[in-house]
Amino acid sequence: GAVVSQHPSWVICKSGTSVKIECRSLDFQATTMFWYRQFPKQSLMLMATSNEGSKATYEQGVEKDKFLINHASLTLSTLTVTSAHPEDSSFYICSASSGQGYNEQFFGPGTRLTVL
Amino acid sequence: GQNIDQPTEMTATEGAIVQINCTYQTSGFNGLFWYQQHAGEAPTFLSYNVLDGLEEKGRFSSFLSRSKGYSYLLLKELQMKDSASYLCAGYTGGFKTIFGAGTRLFVKA
Repeated sequence: GAVVSQHPSWVICKSGTSVKIECRSLDFQATTMFWYRQFPKQSLMLMATSNEGSKATYEQGVEKDKFLINHASLTLSTLTVTSAHPEDSSFYICSASSGQGYNEQFFGPGTRLTVL
Repeated sequence: GQNIDQPTEMTATEGAIVQINCTYQTSGFNGLFWYQQHAGEAPTFLSYNVLDGLEEKGRFSSFLSRSKGYSYLLLKELQMKDSASYLCAGYTGGFKTIFGAGTRLFVKA
């Protein structure tokens, strides 16, 4: 149980284009989903927290107009990187929480974005 | 503020025991997670400590001292597959988990 999927696993795009990453909880309802970014040999940096049906809460320094987050249902959240640039190249990981107990997060497998 | 510190790298021998330390300063601290992350993969949950003391789960144990802002992850009978990054993360409530930079563990034969 508690499986989270991400799509795509990796994506290469040209500078200036937009990229959408999907995060799905497959066998539970995720009241909260989190989006992280991880640069090589660094830790996970929380970008935003999204609750189903409401606007995402962004961490300081994260541009909400550049990283659009939609949490339209209890099983799906999307992150759209708009007008991507090479510095946006990173490993993007989502996680989902059912809101039970201590809110253990279940992580997706990650999406590696490379912007040329 | 939020601050989580752990060593950058450690090396240990197959079959040995290794202890990875973590110190933290987080406001609104509720508990502490340990995650394992292999290169290029997402983290996987290892443990969650809320109360002081040691919790054992197979070859892995995790310890927490809330008064000292200190935790450690103990790995016994090391195997080559244990080579990975180990992330210490503080759960501050409000659905927010703050991660440390991770400790890269190298297990050698």
